[in-house]
Amino acid sequence: GNSVTQMEGPVTLSEEAFLTINCTYTATGYPSLFWYVQYPGEGLQLLLKATKADDKGSNKGFEATYRKETTSFHLEKGSVQVSDSAVYFCALASGGSYIPTFGRGTSLIVHP
Amino acid sequence: ETGVTQTPRHLVMGMTNKKSLKCEQHLGHNAMYWYKQSAKKPLELMFVYSLEERVENNSVPSRFSPECPNSSHLFLHLHTLQPEDSALYLCASSQVLLGRGTDEKLFFGSGTQLSVL
Repeated sequence: GNSVTQMEGPVTLSEEAFLTINCTYTATGYPSLFWYVQYPGEGLQLLLKATKADDKGSNKGFEATYRKETTSFHLEKGSVQVSDSAVYFCALASGGSYIPTFGRGTSLIVHP
Repeated sequence: ETGVTQTPRHLVMGMTNKKSLKCEQHLGHNAMYWYKQSAKKPLELMFVYSLEERVENNSVPSRFSPECPNSSHLFLHLHTLQPEDSALYLCASSQVLLGRGTDEKLFFGSGTQLSVL
């Protein structure tokens, strides 16, 4: 079946530091890959997505590249801000069901 | 504001109580979902409705009973819950059932934080 593995959190960074949150997946066929973000007290919001190999999704300074050879979709940002503090979820959708399978979420804490 | 509203935001109930969670979307979407979010676990899909018909039920205990009276409203009726059911319950919607349109995107509500004593 489909599954998503994310790095354990929390990830704690200082403002303007470089961010990487690792995500690897197992799926049948050719999945679409997503990153969702959950700010404190809110529901999840789609941050970015990629639908085929070598695609790069980007939004709000965040990027992730669909790597089929390593089955990965790592999230990166060059310079984080305090306002980026949130929980980040990697997800995939594939096969007969396009309902996303989510990872456990990685909490990011950015200090001033 | 995502256009998906959940009430109540917080709920505390005893194991013998009966309560209901409500979700309303103002986006004109045709598919709605219930997810369970527990600490340090992946989001668990519970139920999926498309055009008011249930299309998926992921082995959820019968003490959780969904209802979708129309495409804008989704309920989760709760009875005789267990303490391990304490979690954040998230409602989501999408324009059509994911995979059948061009926009594969879920819109989530802020959730109901449920505590079962």
